[in-house]
Amino acid sequence: TQLLEQSPQFLSIQEGENLTVYCNSSSVFSSLQWYRQEPGEGPVLLVTVVTGGEVKKLKRLTFQFGDARKDSSLHITAAQPGDTGLYLCAGAGTGGGNKLTFGTGTQLKVEL
Amino acid sequence: KAGVTQTPRYLIKTRGQQVTLSCSPISGHRSVSWYQQTPGQGLQFLFEYFSETQRNKGNFPGRFSGRQFSNSRSEMNVSTLELGDSALYLCASSLGGGYTEAFFGQGTRLTVV
Repeated sequence: TQLLEQSPQFLSIQEGENLTVYCNSSSVFSSLQWYRQEPGEGPVLLVTVVTGGEVKKLKRLTFQFGDARKDSSLHITAAQPGDTGLYLCAGAGTGGGNKLTFGTGTQLKVEL
Repeated sequence: KAGVTQTPRYLIKTRGQQVTLSCSPISGHRSVSWYQQTPGQGLQFLFEYFSETQRNKGNFPGRFSGRQFSNSRSEMNVSTLELGDSALYLCASSLGGGYTEAFFGQGTRLTVV
């Protein structure tokens, strides 16, 4: 069974601070995706990383896929209240199909 | 381009009843997956359909079933509802064919009383 552990589980910070969320597994994934979810809504895809060691930047968000494709991180620079939400990583297995294994989630709150 | 549409948004059912949830994927997407989200277990994979065939299945009892139609629309059914089935049920649409990016609908909030 593939498991994805995210840390930290909860994060409450002030506007302007930086933060990093980690997503770790003992399993290899063919790709890894990051989502953000607002209360009562479905997750919204932020990025997909495919290649080991890959780094992708989306404005203030930086995503990294581990060299062995077992772990990933999300770094947010100068967090804003609009970044508040539940951040989820999800790995696609190497066996084909579209089954995603989701991480345990990181609830981020950014206060003024 | 329309997103993923799930109906209904909210549902209240009584223990022992059955329920059918519907999902219309993004036009052109052939893969539809279903997930259950609860505060305690997080997001858990139920099953995936691709071209009307179940391609992957999660670890849920046989009370949970699904199907996909020729237009890629999908339904999931839960029979003999239990209190523990109360959850947000999410449908995800993907192109298929090796593309794993999933686009989610807003979900159906099911409450079993």
